[in-house]
Formats: sequence, C-alpha cells, structure tokens
Amino acid sequence: DTGVSQNPRHKITKRGQNVTFRCDPISEHNRLYWYRQTLGQGPEFLTYFQNEAQLEKSRLLSDRFSAERPKGSFSTLEIQRTEQGDSAMYLCASSSPRDPNEKLFFGSGTQLSVL
Amino acid sequence: LAKTTQPISMDSYEGQEVNITCSHNNIATNDYITWYQQFPSQGPRFIIQGYKTKVTNEVASLFIPADRKSSTLSLPRVSLSDTAVYYCLVGGAYSGAGSYQLTFGKGTKLSVIP
Repeated sequence: DTGVSQNPRHKITKRGQNVTFRCDPISEHNRLYWYRQTLGQGPEFLTYFQNEAQLEKSRLLSDRFSAERPKGSFSTLEIQRTEQGDSAMYLCASSSPRDPNEKLFFGSGTQLSVL
Repeated sequence: LAKTTQPISMDSYEGQEVNITCSHNNIATNDYITWYQQFPSQGPRFIIQGYKTKVTNEVASLFIPADRKSSTLSLPRVSLSDTAVYYCLVGGAYSGAGSYQLTFGKGTKLSVIP
C-alpha cells in the first residue's frame, strides 16, 4: 500500500490552456473523490466515483471540468480553457469498500497555477 | 448534511493538552464524526472517528456527549509538529447515488508555540 498518488505535484499553465491531472488511489479502494482547495479554505467536494461510475457531481464542476475513471482504477480530472479562478490545489482521495463510514485517504494534491 | 462550527484558530504551548470542540447541532442518527489533520501543501490525513462516548487511538481522543451535538478532539502533549489545520466532518454511511457528500468547513488552525 503506497497511498494515494497524484501527478503532477505542480502545474503552471497559461489561461485558456487545457490541463489534466491524474490520481492513482489505494489499490483495493473502489471509491474515489476529487476535491478542490484554495488558500485558507477547506477542501470543496467536486465529484465522486464508485468503481467506474461517476455518482456525484458538485455544482462547482462547471462544463469545463470533466473527470473519468475508465477502468475503476486511476482517475483523471481535465480542465478545459483554464481561467485564473481555477488556480487551486486539486486533491484526490479514496476510501475502502469495507468502510461504510468512508474514512478518506488523500493524496498530496496537484497545485495548479493559471497565469 | 450536518453543518459544523469550529474555532478558526487556537494557540498552545508545547507539552500542553489541546482540546478542539466542534458543534454539529443537526447531526443525524446515522452520522459519524470524523477529524482530519492537514499540513501545508499536503492532503488532509485521517486522525480519528467516532459515533458516541469516547474513542482513543495512538494520536488523539475523541469525546462525544450523549446528545452528539458536539464533539471534542483532544491532542495530548502537543509538539511543534502538531501545528496544522484540524477539520471536523459529520456524515453517514453512503446509501446510494446522489445522496451523500463529505463537506469540509474551514477547520481550526492550531499553532503550537515553543
């Protein structure tokens, strides 16, 4: 068990460009979550997968955001036509199917800076 | 989802016990209480979870009164490395599509002073 892995750790992009982040959850975890966190705030929920099915989407997830988990293992979060307001830490978490109370295990996040 | 209220910040000297209280007046019957710790530039880390009374692990204790409308995270003999933001979350078991999201508030920023 190597924990939740997120890549890249840092991403700097110009406004209008597309970016994609990857999350590799803990191997036996079937639940995967994406959060966004800005400075001084707690993480905000974006979306949730159970296996490959995307079951929850926050209203924060605009049409420019898309998340996938094609084989129920790793997940990607893509932001199209980035805006400066997208600058934030993007966190991925996973939880075990044997845990009904969903203790979340987080990765170290991807820090996005949009110039 | 039960809304939580925590102090924005707390200061403590090294070696002291720190108690952080979270209010959750609208907690539901099935909801558990979970605390996370977050260091700068890292994701939150699970500390402790409980439903009622007292839970203790190697890191902390969690005290939950009978009415469950609040909870207190207790950190014994804090050190400088305990300086972090602590989040209280309240939620229940996932019961189906579209019914559950885990929501973080702003947390409590604990500063441990030498």
